[in-house]
Amino acid sequence: DTAVSQTPKYLVTQMGNDKSIKCEQNLGHDTMYWYKQDSKKFLKIMFSYNNKELIINETVPNRFSPKSPDKAHLNLHINSLELGDSAVYFCASSLGSGNTIYFGEGSWLTVV
Amino acid sequence: SQELEQSPQSLIVQEGKNLTINCTSSKTLYGLYWYKQKYGEGLIFLMMLQKGGEEKSHEKITAKLDEKKQQSSLHITASQPSHAGIYLCGADSNDYKLSFGAGTTVTVRA
Repeated sequence: DTAVSQTPKYLVTQMGNDKSIKCEQNLGHDTMYWYKQDSKKFLKIMFSYNNKELIINETVPNRFSPKSPDKAHLNLHINSLELGDSAVYFCASSLGSGNTIYFGEGSWLTVV
Repeated sequence: SQELEQSPQSLIVQEGKNLTINCTSSKTLYGLYWYKQKYGEGLIFLMMLQKGGEEKSHEKITAKLDEKKQQSSLHITASQPSHAGIYLCGADSNDYKLSFGAGTTVTVRA
C-alpha cells in the first residue's frame, strides 16, 4: 500500500487554467505538507498543516490554496496558472515536528 | 531560515568505489535527514540523525552527524548502480518544516 499518494502524477495545462493536485496519506499522521521542486531540483516548503490547521505558509502566492478536509488529505488548488508554476509538487506527511517526513511520488506540472 | 550547503554538487564514481557527500548547516541542527531521489520518482527516506556524534548505517550507507550538530556526511561503501540518484539532506528546525540542500547527483559507472 502506498503511504503517501498524490494524483495526478503528470499534468500538462495551459496558462490561466485552474488545476488541483490531490494528496492522501494512510499513515495516521497529523501533519501534512506541500513542497515544490524547481527545475534545479531545489526543494522548498510551501505549506504545512497540522490537524487540518494551516501552520506554515512560506510566502506562496495567493493563487495557491491548500485545503485539508480531514487529517488524511491535503489538496492543492492552483488558480490562474503561470509558466513559472511548472515544477514537481510533492506532498508529504509526518507525525509532527521532529518526526520523519514521508514523501509522495510527486506531481509533474507543466504549464504551456 | 536554516541554510544547508551540500558538496559536491555532483560526482561520478566507478562501481565498487566509495563516495562521501557532505552537508553543512548555518545553524545548529535539531535533526538532519537524508533522502534519495531517482529521476521521475519521489524522495526515499534514508536516515535521520538527531544527536551530536550520532552515526547510523543501513546496508552500505552510513551517515554521521558531528558533535556540534552542524555538519553531516553520507558515505556509501562499494557503490553499485542502484546507488545512483540525487541525495538530499534536510534540516529540521523544529518548526514543522524541513529545509533542504541543493542535492548531490551521484552517477555510478559500471
